[in-house]
Amino acid sequence: TQLLEQSPQFLSIQEGENLTVYCNSSSVFSSLQWYRQEPGEGPVLLVTVVTGGEVKKLKRLTFQFGDARKDSSLHITAAQPGDTGLYLCAGAHGSARQLTFGSGTQLTVLP
Amino acid sequence: ETGVTQTPRHLVMGMTNKKSLKCEQHLGHNAMYWYKQSAKKPLELMFVYSLEERVENNSVPSRFSPECPNSSHLFLHLHTLQPEDSALYLCASSIAGAPYNEQFFGPGTRLTVL
Repeated sequence: TQLLEQSPQFLSIQEGENLTVYCNSSSVFSSLQWYRQEPGEGPVLLVTVVTGGEVKKLKRLTFQFGDARKDSSLHITAAQPGDTGLYLCAGAHGSARQLTFGSGTQLTVLP
Repeated sequence: ETGVTQTPRHLVMGMTNKKSLKCEQHLGHNAMYWYKQSAKKPLELMFVYSLEERVENNSVPSRFSPECPNSSHLFLHLHTLQPEDSALYLCASSIAGAPYNEQFFGPGTRLTVL
């Protein structure tokens, strides 16, 4: 079983603060995705990273894939209440039809 | 709006009832998935239909039965469920064989089994 561990499990911060959440595994993934899930909705894909060491930016969100393709991080700068949600990472192996999901980080940004 | 719709959004049922969950995707995808999301647990893949081939998680009880009549529609038939089956059931779709298997999710059906 290829597990993805996400940390922290819960995070509550004030608007304007910076934060980083992590996604770690002992397995190598061919690609890794980050999703955000808001209350009452399904997960929405934010980004896919595929190359070891890759960094992708999406406005105030910065995603990094570890050099060994076993871990990833998501950094949010100047968090806003609209960033509140459950952040999920999901890894894929080769051309596998299945994704392995982490259990998520529940982020709350207080105004 | 992700292009994947699910009905009903909420369902309360007794253990002896039979009900069905419906999913429809308008993205032209050819792979569809059922996931179970329980609190504090990773999404659990239940079933995959990809290019008319079905793949299932062997740990899913037989009281859950999927049906995929075509590439746009997916059903999950439920019968004699248990209270521990209460969860959010998510449908997703993707392009079979695409490089990264990026998936598009519906809003889910919140199921409560009494």
